[in-house]
Amino acid sequence: SQTIHQWPATLVQPVGSPLSLECTVEGTSNPNLYWYRQAAGRGLQLLFYSVGIGQISSEVPQNLSASRPQDRQFILSSKKLLLSDSGFYLCAWSVQGPQETQYFGPGTRLLVL
Amino acid sequence: QQQVKQSPQSLIVQKGGISIINCAYENTAFDYFPWYQQFPGKGPALLIAIRPDVSEKKEGRFTISFNKSAKQFSLHIMDSQPGDSATYFCAASSYGGSQGNLIFGKGTKLSVKP
Repeated sequence: SQTIHQWPATLVQPVGSPLSLECTVEGTSNPNLYWYRQAAGRGLQLLFYSVGIGQISSEVPQNLSASRPQDRQFILSSKKLLLSDSGFYLCAWSVQGPQETQYFGPGTRLLVL
Repeated sequence: QQQVKQSPQSLIVQKGGISIINCAYENTAFDYFPWYQQFPGKGPALLIAIRPDVSEKKEGRFTISFNKSAKQFSLHIMDSQPGDSATYFCAASSYGGSQGNLIFGKGTKLSVKP
């Protein structure tokens, strides 16, 4: 069966510090991978998606970047965090192709102070 | 045109009652409509999904009703239980859309009172 991991689970960072959140998927090959952000009491905002190694599409221009160094690894980064980067970050995967169910990880709660 | 509008923002239902959450869309190219359930501090999980070739889909106490002409779909939770208390998101995507990217509604926080 497939499993998706995210770490860390919780992170408190000062403004201006760098960020690296990691997501890995087990039990599947060549998945689509997604990064979402969920602000408190709000919906899911798609940040990045990837259909393969090194292939990243950005949905919303902002202070964040994503990379996919391996088939089942997706990393969300920032060089300098802003207060507005606080939120709940969710990684998801799906089988390649349209209209496939997205499976979400447990999320990382980021608080920027 | 890419929006999915979800209502209500929050909902309080007595145990045993029916919870109804509505979503509306404008993009007629949308043809896949999943609902996700999210408990506090957890990632969303797929609850039930429908494609427009049917007007209703039922799985246990959960039913999706779909009205293609009105471009609306809704989630009905029958015999609502306190364990159903969660945030529910509707979503939509289109075949041939950007790798099946889902457009999510803003969510409905459901509280079922015992």
